[in-house]
Amino acid sequence: GAGVSQTPSNKVTEKGKYVELRCDPISGHTALYWYRQSLGQGPEFLIYFQGTGAADDSGLPNDRFFAVRPEGSVSTLKIQRTERGDSAVYLCASSSAGDWNEQFFGPGTRLTVL
Amino acid sequence: AQSVTQLDSHVSVSEGTPVLLRCNYSSSYSPSLFWYVQHPNKGLQLLLKYTSAATLVKGINGFEAEFKKSETSFHLTKPSAHMSDAAEYFCVVSVRSGGYNKLIFGAGTRLAVHP
Repeated sequence: GAGVSQTPSNKVTEKGKYVELRCDPISGHTALYWYRQSLGQGPEFLIYFQGTGAADDSGLPNDRFFAVRPEGSVSTLKIQRTERGDSAVYLCASSSAGDWNEQFFGPGTRLTVL
Repeated sequence: AQSVTQLDSHVSVSEGTPVLLRCNYSSSYSPSLFWYVQHPNKGLQLLLKYTSAATLVKGINGFEAEFKKSETSFHLTKPSAHMSDAAEYFCVVSVRSGGYNKLIFGAGTRLAVHP
């Protein structure tokens, strides 16, 4: 079956612009996670959705970052007034409900802010 | 607070020789630990997980890891490296919170395999 998909695969934007990154989770997975992976680092947690609601957004770096999941499936990560420091690979993962269920990762969106 | 430290940023081995990727963890309670692999331009893939059952955990592609509480370690091993094992490997500890697991990743170890 289809895995987690993310679009676009690459996004180049200019400082100060607004960007949206999309994640399509595995069908039926109620849990959805966003992570950010900077160059040479491991992924860092940003936000977790259970269904439509953000159950934990403690990893969002500041109020320029926002994510939604209006119908409990597709999620969009939104970044306002982008800065060069936002350049990274943004990863999405999904899992079925319950403790310790494996998180399945998408290939990521590489964001470059010029 | 939970964290992991991967002791080597780069490891280079010859094909057919053993692989050892080292990881130490810090956790205020009994942890759940994972190893993920990331091949270039591909998504992260779970290799294996430890969740307080057997301390020796077997994963995919011949990898295994041993949980050693006394040493706070969770090293990843493989008896014989293949060229296809060349990738980035991440040791991960899970923070349990309200029915889900927030993953805390190490900085990664890049494994190179030479003919």
